[in-house]
Amino acid sequence: EVQLVESGGGLVQPGRSLRLSCTGSGFTFGDYAMSWFRQAPGKGLEWVGFIRGKPYGGTTEYAASVKGRFTISRDDSKTIAYLQMNSLKTEDAAVYYCGRVEWGSYYLDVWGKGTTVTVSS
Amino acid sequence: QSALTQPASVSGSPGQSITISCTGTSSDVGSYNLVSWYQQHPGKAPKLMIYEVSRRPSGVSNRFSGSKSGNTASLTISGLQAEDEADYYCFSYAGSSTLGFGGGTKLTVL
Repeated sequence: EVQLVESGGGLVQPGRSLRLSCTGSGFTFGDYAMSWFRQAPGKGLEWVGFIRGKPYGGTTEYAASVKGRFTISRDDSKTIAYLQMNSLKTEDAAVYYCGRVEWGSYYLDVWGKGTTVTVSS
Repeated sequence: QSALTQPASVSGSPGQSITISCTGTSSDVGSYNLVSWYQQHPGKAPKLMIYEVSRRPSGVSNRFSGSKSGNTASLTISGLQAEDEADYYCFSYAGSSTLGFGGGTKLTVL
């Protein structure tokens, strides 16, 4: 079964850092781009960024709202994509989802169930 | 602020058809046939319903269809059912390796 599972969410103080993980299974992880999204309480979905698959260089792109503070990386040997979040703000509080990207068509055919990040002092 | 504009809410009675619009610009929706649609029930992860404007993934009911005209993409649900009540989001490639969602539309089945 193709599956994504996010982990690493929790309560963090403003200004601190947190790293989320997205573990994939049931598919050749390294061949796929992986993307992160978030959804603040009661709000819509927001694209955070993506990392290309190995065939496309494993490079990253980010939304303007997180560029410079968030970093996406991947360890294909462990089938994990990471989201490193630094200098967290209260407005970064959200459910964070990862998704598998169909490269070239840019749609997300597999999603994780999400992990919740709370930013509060 | 969302890159793509959707109505905040739509409603319809069981058996009816509804259409949700997703308006972008000539730089995103208008330039690429890369619009996808997602259904999200409360507390659940999004689910892919339509990709590449009008293609339907395996397992998605043929009551769901997509189209595009100019800078506006649309999702149509025919034969509305109670389980269709959810939030719907459009998503598009926006050029320069960026992506964007619409603000979401809450569908109420009356």
